[in-house]
Amino acid sequence: SQTIHQWPATLVQPVGSPLSLECTVEGTSNPNLYWYRQAAGRGLQLLFYSVGIGQISSEVPQNLSASRPQDRQFILSSKKLLLSDSGFYLCAWQGRGGYNEQFFGPGTRLTVL
Amino acid sequence: SQQGEEDPQALSIQEGENATMNCSYKTSINNLQWYRQNSGRGLVHLILIRSNEREKHSGRLRVTLDTSKKSSSLLITASRAADTASYFCASSGGSYIPTFGRGTSLIVHP
Repeated sequence: SQTIHQWPATLVQPVGSPLSLECTVEGTSNPNLYWYRQAAGRGLQLLFYSVGIGQISSEVPQNLSASRPQDRQFILSSKKLLLSDSGFYLCAWQGRGGYNEQFFGPGTRLTVL
Repeated sequence: SQQGEEDPQALSIQEGENATMNCSYKTSINNLQWYRQNSGRGLVHLILIRSNEREKHSGRLRVTLDTSKKSSSLLITASRAADTASYFCASSGGSYIPTFGRGTSLIVHP
């Protein structure tokens, strides 16, 4: 069966520090991968998606970047965190062919102080 | 934008009652999905309904889709305290990427 992992679960970082959040998927190949951010009590904002290794599409220009060094690994990064980067970050995968359901990881709660 | 909007934003009911949540979207879709999110957790997929379907059931869940009105509804029958969560709709149109609404927060009182 497929599983998706995210770590860390929670993170508290000072403003200006770097960020690296990792997401890995098991039990599937060639998934579409997604990074979302969710502000408190709000919906999901799509940040990045990837249809293959090294292929990253950005939905919202901001202080973050994403990379996909391996088929089932998706990394969200920042060189210098801003206060506004605080939020709940969710990784999701979707089967190839599109128009399928997404499967979400447990999320990372990021607080920037 | 394909973004769905859920209505109401918040819903509070007693255990045993039915809960109905609505979702509207703006342009034609390929499918519409409903997800559930418990506080501080990831989203869990509930039901996917395709544009050529009008109704779908899964256990105590019933989803309807009215493409002429660009709307969908999620009905939870005989609700339980454990159904307390946020519920999101997500629509996919020309792009396979689902676009999520802001969600309905459901509280079921025991």
